[in-house]
Amino acid sequence: DTAVSQTPKYLVTQMGNDKSIKCEQNLGHDTMYWYKQDSKKFLKIMFSYNNKELIINETVPNRFSPKSPDKAHLNLHINSLELGDSAVYFCASSQVPATEQFFGPGTRLTVL
Amino acid sequence: DQQVKQNSPSLSVQEGRISILNCDYTNSMFDYFLWYKKYPAEGPTFLISISSIKDKNEDGRFTVFLNKSAKHLSLHIVPSQPGDSAVYFCAASPYTGTASKLTFGTGTRLQVTL
Repeated sequence: DTAVSQTPKYLVTQMGNDKSIKCEQNLGHDTMYWYKQDSKKFLKIMFSYNNKELIINETVPNRFSPKSPDKAHLNLHINSLELGDSAVYFCASSQVPATEQFFGPGTRLTVL
Repeated sequence: DQQVKQNSPSLSVQEGRISILNCDYTNSMFDYFLWYKKYPAEGPTFLISISSIKDKNEDGRFTVFLNKSAKHLSLHIVPSQPGDSAVYFCAASPYTGTASKLTFGTGTRLQVTL
C-alpha cells in the first residue's frame, strides 16, 4: 500500500503547455506539501496545505497553482510551462504538529 | 543563501564500520532537525529526527547528534551495511506547528563497500 502516491511519474511536454501533477496520501495526515528538486539537487518547499487551507506559499511564479479538493489530495497545476520548470516535483504529507514528512516517489517533469 | 549545508558530497565506508555524515546550519530559528535517505528514482525516506532540546537521539543503528552552539549535527550509522548506500539529506525546520517548512541540505552520497 503506497502511503503517498503521485501521478504521473514522468511527464514530458512542450514549452507553453499547461500540465497537472496529482498527489494522494492515505496516511490520514492533515498537511500536504509540494517540493521542487532542481538540477543542482536542491530540494525546496513550494507550498503547504493544511486541511485544504494554504499554509505555506513560497516565492513561486503564479503560473504554479496548488489545489486541494480534500485533505487527502493536493494537486499541482502549472500554466505556460517554461524550460526552467524542468525538475523533479515531490509531494509530501505530515501529521499535526508537523514533524517528519513522508514523501511520494516524485514526478520528473521535462519541458522541451 | 544556503541555510543548511552538507559539505561532503560523497563518503565511502567499508561494511561494518561507522559512517558519519555531517550537516551545518546557519539559521538560529531552526529547532527541529531530520535526516532523510534517498534511493535513485524514489522519494526521500524519513530516518531519524531530533529536537533542539536534545543533543542525541538513537534509533537502532542510527544516532543523530546535535551541537546547538556549533550549529552542527551529525548522523552516525553503526555498523554500516551495503543497503545503506544512498544519498542522505539533512533537513531543518523553525517550528513544528501546523506545517513544517523544511530546509534541506544538498545531500551526501554514501557508498558502503564490501
